[in-house]
Amino acid sequence: GESVGLHLPTLSVQEGDNSIINCAYSNSASDYFIWYKQESGKGPQFIIDIRSNMDKRQGQRVTVLLNKTVKHLSLQIAATQPGDSAVYFCAENAGKNSGGSNYKLTFGKGTLLTVNP
Amino acid sequence: KAGVTQTPRYLIKTRGQQVTLSCSPISGHRSVSWYQQTPGQGLQFLFEYFSETQRNKGNFPGRFSGRQFSNSRSEMNVSTLELGDSALYLCASSLDGAGEQYFGPGTRLTVT
Repeated sequence: GESVGLHLPTLSVQEGDNSIINCAYSNSASDYFIWYKQESGKGPQFIIDIRSNMDKRQGQRVTVLLNKTVKHLSLQIAATQPGDSAVYFCAENAGKNSGGSNYKLTFGKGTLLTVNP
Repeated sequence: KAGVTQTPRYLIKTRGQQVTLSCSPISGHRSVSWYQQTPGQGLQFLFEYFSETQRNKGNFPGRFSGRQFSNSRSEMNVSTLELGDSALYLCASSLDGAGEQYFGPGTRLTVT
């Protein structure tokens, strides 16, 4: 079936450095992508999203890049802080049904980001 | 504004039993989705409800079911529990199912 995968299962960076987390997706029909952050013992927290009609979107200290040609998604975190340490998931949405809902997220396996002080 | 709440937070059940988990979405949110999270399979979509109707369903057996009430609160039920059902069950709500989702803290189910 369709799946979303991550290139790197773990990423370790120094505090203050920029982090880049990558994600490959396989469903060319996906039109909405989301990055989530999950800290230990908590549910995933929305970071940033992007629709397929865009190739870049910026938030506070985060940027998501979408390359539809190679089906690649990345999350860039500027000036990484210890509080950024968590598992990061990318998710794609390609679910459509007769009910009109287009919400059926497929998640990647996750990348563990560790920020060293 | 209160976040998504899930009850109970932890649950231990025996194989063959059934379990019901509850989710209260953010006030005003009408879409509720359920996910199963395990170390081996990651986060997998179970189903999504909107206005008391199931709109989307993942690839889980019929032992997994759910429902949504008129106040948008949702429950999911797992019957005839198996050891492999041990997981973190997450609920997420959104206004209409097409935008940003907010996750609850999850219910940790252990089947022995």
